[in-house]
Amino acid sequence: DAKTTQPNSMESNEEEPVHLPCNHSTISGTDYIHWYRQLPSQGPEYVIHGLTSNVNNRMASLAIAEDRKSSTLILHRATLRDAAVYYCILITSGTYKYIFGTGTRLKVLA
Amino acid sequence: EAGVVQSPRYKIIEKKQPVAFWCNPISGHNTLYWYLQNLGQGPELLIRYENEEAVDDSQLPKDRFSAERLKGVDSTLKIQPAELGDSAVYLCASSLQGLGPNEQFFGPGTRLTVL
Repeated sequence: DAKTTQPNSMESNEEEPVHLPCNHSTISGTDYIHWYRQLPSQGPEYVIHGLTSNVNNRMASLAIAEDRKSSTLILHRATLRDAAVYYCILITSGTYKYIFGTGTRLKVLA
Repeated sequence: EAGVVQSPRYKIIEKKQPVAFWCNPISGHNTLYWYLQNLGQGPELLIRYENEEAVDDSQLPKDRFSAERLKGVDSTLKIQPAELGDSAVYLCASSLQGLGPNEQFFGPGTRLTVL
């Protein structure tokens, strides 16, 4: 199973953009890149996913490197409610198995 | 739309006692997952069901853990007997399986403390 590497923690000021990086150098051609986040005392929630092209939704944007060995989750304007642990996960097509790492703990400063 | 429901939210037991967790997935979701999450770690898959069939239970410690999803809807995860190391959050998730990997919806989890 392909693994991901994320920084343990990051800080951002409120109302500023946040770029959360993820390295996945062993990604295979059919692996999807998913991002989830986990707010305190809650289960993880879906944020965004992609395969090859950059993706946008109401929560965030996902920028995928051309060689797919890394990706970046972009929160355009961080709010205090965005403080959470963000997980970058590779989903191997055909198995649908999620392997969570330790994620990045995002702290948003008021 | 109701989300994934889990009960109880918290459970405290003494070691060697049995414990059970219940999960009701989102209506219509055919795939159900049980995860274990230790403090400071990401969730780890214990078992995945498609309808009533356990299609991946390779990470389930079968000597003390068991799970069932008899009618392909709600599910129960049991530990018997519980050990100190079982203290963790047990998460249930569900999804509607299609052609590609689909979004999983997680419940709030059950926090188990074994004394």
